[in-house]
Amino acid sequence: DVVMTQSPLSLPVTLGQPASISCRSSQSLVYSDGNTYLNWFQQRPGQSPRRLIYKVSNRDSGVPDRFSGSGSGTDFTLKISRVEAEDVGVYYCMQGTHSLTFGGGTKVEIK
Amino acid sequence: QVQLVESGGGLVKPGGSLRLSCAASGFTFSDYYMSWIRQAPGKGLEWVSYISSSSSYTNYADSVKGRFTISRDNAKNSLYLQMNSLRAEDTAVYYCARDRWLIDYWGQGTLVTVSS
Repeated sequence: DVVMTQSPLSLPVTLGQPASISCRSSQSLVYSDGNTYLNWFQQRPGQSPRRLIYKVSNRDSGVPDRFSGSGSGTDFTLKISRVEAEDVGVYYCMQGTHSLTFGGGTKVEIK
Repeated sequence: QVQLVESGGGLVKPGGSLRLSCAASGFTFSDYYMSWIRQAPGKGLEWVSYISSSSSYTNYADSVKGRFTISRDNAKNSLYLQMNSLRAEDTAVYYCARDRWLIDYWGQGTLVTVSS
């Protein structure tokens, strides 16, 4: 099974400052069709998860451009250029290449 | 707009059974794989199962294999999860989600509590 390892577990950030979350997979996430199915989700308190980024770096409609995704192979990153109060929540990476696995989550909070 | 509405959750005793349903609307249901994902209280997300668009292929997490069965009815735009031999560790909010590679839409979830 593919293991997704996220870090850090908790990320206290000052408003307006950048934040970065790492996600590493135990195997390459390049699928047989050439795509890399690495997605990022945000879960605000009391809400269902919401997808932010799909296939590594594609931002979903309505997602602010302060969110960006990058990476390849087994190493991926979600960046928030300037954290806002509404960004508080837990962020998960997820791979859909080998069955489906989620990272353990990173809790973003305001300092 | 895409809507996924789960139902069927509740309190059940260990060893008991429950059937979850997910009503889909706003898209051509029969074109998509569908998935079930769960979240234990205060914990992270765990994939449970997915099913292909025509029901020809299913896959399960090891933790539920042999106890849970995923199915769908494309004529009714509905997804199901039959859960048997339930254990305390199956207590979670169960989400219905569209697709299995991209998981682009989620329902609001239904809570399953397994307790005596």
